[in-house]
Order: sequence, then structure tokens, then C-alpha cells
Amino acid sequence: QKEVEQNSGPLSVPEGAIASLNCTYSDRGSQSFFWYRQYSGKSPELIMFIYSNGDKEDGRFTAQLNKASQYVSLLIRDSQPSDSATYLCAVNKDDKIIFGKGTRLHILP
Amino acid sequence: GAVVSQHPSRVICKSGTSVKIECRSLDFQATTMFWYRQFPKKSLMLMATSNEGSKATYEQGVEKDKFLINHASLTLSTLTVTSAHPEDSSFYICSAFPGTGGHGYTFGSGTRLTVV
Repeated sequence: QKEVEQNSGPLSVPEGAIASLNCTYSDRGSQSFFWYRQYSGKSPELIMFIYSNGDKEDGRFTAQLNKASQYVSLLIRDSQPSDSATYLCAVNKDDKIIFGKGTRLHILP
Repeated sequence: GAVVSQHPSRVICKSGTSVKIECRSLDFQATTMFWYRQFPKKSLMLMATSNEGSKATYEQGVEKDKFLINHASLTLSTLTVTSAHPEDSSFYICSAFPGTGGHGYTFGSGTRLTVV
């Protein structure tokens, strides 16, 4: 089992709709979880991080964490074409950040 | 916010030569930095953890003699790709954790290495 798993996509979402990105992780001892956005040819940029079970909201973004199910998600409300990118889920394991393969998100104008 | 500066952004070198990539934390001290590589349409793969004042910790399968890491100060880590070959062509990215302010791990802008 891979340490961090994501559906590679592409996930196509109409502009203005909610985009839902999902991630599962294998290590129950993981304590912190991150969502990064990466545009083609660019370095990842942090969108959100979450440590506690439940939801965390920041603007149009909501991160959801369920440690019992080892599941992390990212919701993007009112999706914009500029949200089209690859979204990387990352988990802090032993003070190292381990990334999933990323989900390509395409917002349809 | 916390900024990590990485240079060069692009480099083309001949096969057999060495290339040095620098990663600097501009407004914070980083006792630990991380080096990743990313092949096209693939995920970031952690190569090594760079520790200030001590030897780097390499991930399984990463040749330490080929990818030399030096972390001589709290704001600078370097990755040297020695005797580069075309298969070393990749996107190399460094990262550091500012530790405060909830910034998460901050990434450098990456270095696109092409070995010809």
C-alpha cells in the first residue's frame, strides 16, 4: 500500500461548482496533513494544513480530516479557471513530508 | 511570509559534469531542509533530508555519492549532482519548515536540470 494515495484524475468541474479532492494515507501515526497546489513547471505552493479531526476553512478552501478513516479531503467552492492545477496531498511522517501523486483538476469555463 | 530561494531555476549541462543547486531560507533559520525530485507528471519524491552541521539522511535508493548535500549554515543547503547523466534530468525542489506562523513546509521555486 502506498503511503499517500490520490486519484490522478483528471477531475473536471464546471466553473462555480464545488471541486472535491480526496486522499488516503497509510500511517495511522501521521500527525499533520497538507494540501499543495502545483501549476505545470512550477514548485508546489501550500494551500492548507490540518492537524485535527474535522473541517478547517480558509476562504474558498475547506480541508477535512478523518483520522479514524485515514482520509483527508479538500473542497474548493466557487471553482475558478485559475484553480486548474495539480493538487498534492502530503503527510508528515517522521518529520518528513511524503507526497501523493497528485490529482489534476480542470475547471471548465 | 517564509521564503525559500532556490538557484538556478534552469541549468543545462553536459553529461559527466557536476551541477550545484543552492537553497536558501531568506527570513528564517532552517536546521533541516529537504530535497525532492520530480519527473514529468510524477509526484515529488523525497531524496534526502539535509541537516545543518551534520550529514544528510538519504532515502532508500538515492546514491549519496552522486547527490552530494551540504548544509553548512542555518540558511543554506546545497545539492550537487555529480557526474550527471541524462537520466538525472529532472525538476529538483528544496523545502524547509519555518517552524512558526502555520506556514507549513515552504518550497523553493525549483531547478529544472537538463543533462545533454
